[in-house]
Amino acid sequence: QQQVKQSPQSLIVQKGGISIINCAYENTAFDYFPWYQQFPGKGPALLIAIRPDVSEKKEGRFTISFNKSAKQFSLHIMDSQPGDSATYFCAASITGNNRKLIWGLGTSLAVNP
Amino acid sequence: GAVVSQHPSWVICKSGTSVKIECRSLDFQATTMFWYRQFPKQSLMLMATSNEGSKATYEQGVEKDKFLINHASLTLSTLTVTSAHPEDSSFYICSARDDHRGPWIYEQYFGPGTRLTVT
Repeated sequence: QQQVKQSPQSLIVQKGGISIINCAYENTAFDYFPWYQQFPGKGPALLIAIRPDVSEKKEGRFTISFNKSAKQFSLHIMDSQPGDSATYFCAASITGNNRKLIWGLGTSLAVNP
Repeated sequence: GAVVSQHPSWVICKSGTSVKIECRSLDFQATTMFWYRQFPKQSLMLMATSNEGSKATYEQGVEKDKFLINHASLTLSTLTVTSAHPEDSSFYICSARDDHRGPWIYEQYFGPGTRLTVT
């Protein structure tokens, strides 16, 4: 019940295309869902996050779509660029237990020029 | 804002020695800090959580006597890998959170990571 399942494991997109990464969870007590971007040899950087009272949140080219009934959330990267090539992690957390993050396994995104 | 630094960025040590990694929050108070370990092409594995002035809470399977964590101030946490062995070689990443900062008090900010190689 503590798992966050992320798909696909890897993704190749053409420049200008839309990258879509999906995550699913079981624990309905999760109430915070961030997405992180990680470049090789670097720490993860917070991209965008959402709470379950909102169905969509957009920041620039990055959008989170949240489907509470389906217990799924996804990251959409519009107009994907080669500089977006990185590993993306979804995560979730719950009140209490120091609000530690439960992580997806990651998606390696490659944007071809 | 919300910058976290780590030092060193990489370290090579001999088997049996100890190595200390520092994690600092530069522009905010880190009331909670986390230490992660990451193997190549894998997700982040939480090792322990620490609150300033309190003992760290270790995840199941993490040896607390081997991975010593100290969170002595609101801007500094250290991870000491004692009696390091080659299997301890990994990428160690810290993160920090200011639990008094609204409205998004849940945000964790990550350091750049420390690559440890034990020979």
